[in-house]
Amino acid sequence: AQSVTQLGSHVSVSEGALVLLRCNYSSSVPPYLFWYVQYPNQGLQLLLKYTTGATLVKGINGFEAEFKKSETSFHLTKPSAHMSDAAEYFCAVSEGGGADGLTFGKGTHLIIQP
Amino acid sequence: EPEVTQTPSHQVTQMGQEVILRCVPISNHLYFYWYRQILGQKVEFLVSFYNNEISEKSEIFDDQFSVERPDGSNFTLKIRSTKLEDSAMYFCASSGRLARQETQYFGPGTRLLVL
Repeated sequence: AQSVTQLGSHVSVSEGALVLLRCNYSSSVPPYLFWYVQYPNQGLQLLLKYTTGATLVKGINGFEAEFKKSETSFHLTKPSAHMSDAAEYFCAVSEGGGADGLTFGKGTHLIIQP
Repeated sequence: EPEVTQTPSHQVTQMGQEVILRCVPISNHLYFYWYRQILGQKVEFLVSFYNNEISEKSEIFDDQFSVERPDGSNFTLKIRSTKLEDSAMYFCASSGRLARQETQYFGPGTRLLVL
């Protein structure tokens, strides 16, 4: 069975600083991995996803994530935080045939300090 | 840009009542999902739906729950005889294909409070 662990329910960084949100997964098959962002009062929006190929994946709003099989990780980074990045971030894994749905982590609330 | 919409945004109901949560998926999508998030917990998969029938369901999705596509645009989740523990945010999602790598597009959610 698959699972996702996101370290840190809250992460606080200063504006302009590096953002690092951690995600570790377990999966019995090669995983497909996703990062979603949720802004207040909005739905979950896809930031980026890893399926196959290049392990460094670039997404929207300057975010990127690197799939590391040996570490079973898919950490999300952004070189320079912006106030507008304040949101809830969810890591998810897809293991089944698509109909099984996504398995999510608990989410990380990103706080940007001015 | 097309988006998934959900109504109502908030619903308060008494324990034992039935509620229907509504979703309008993206118009050319064929696969639909419901998830829920109890406060402070993970987003959890409930059910997937295709071609007017359930594709997969989790252990959470018991006889208390049902889904329906009553017309060409709406997708509904019915919760019968609601319990306090049904209080959660319910998200609808849709995708264009049934594949592991396919992006699921989520609605803004319906916050259900059972009193």
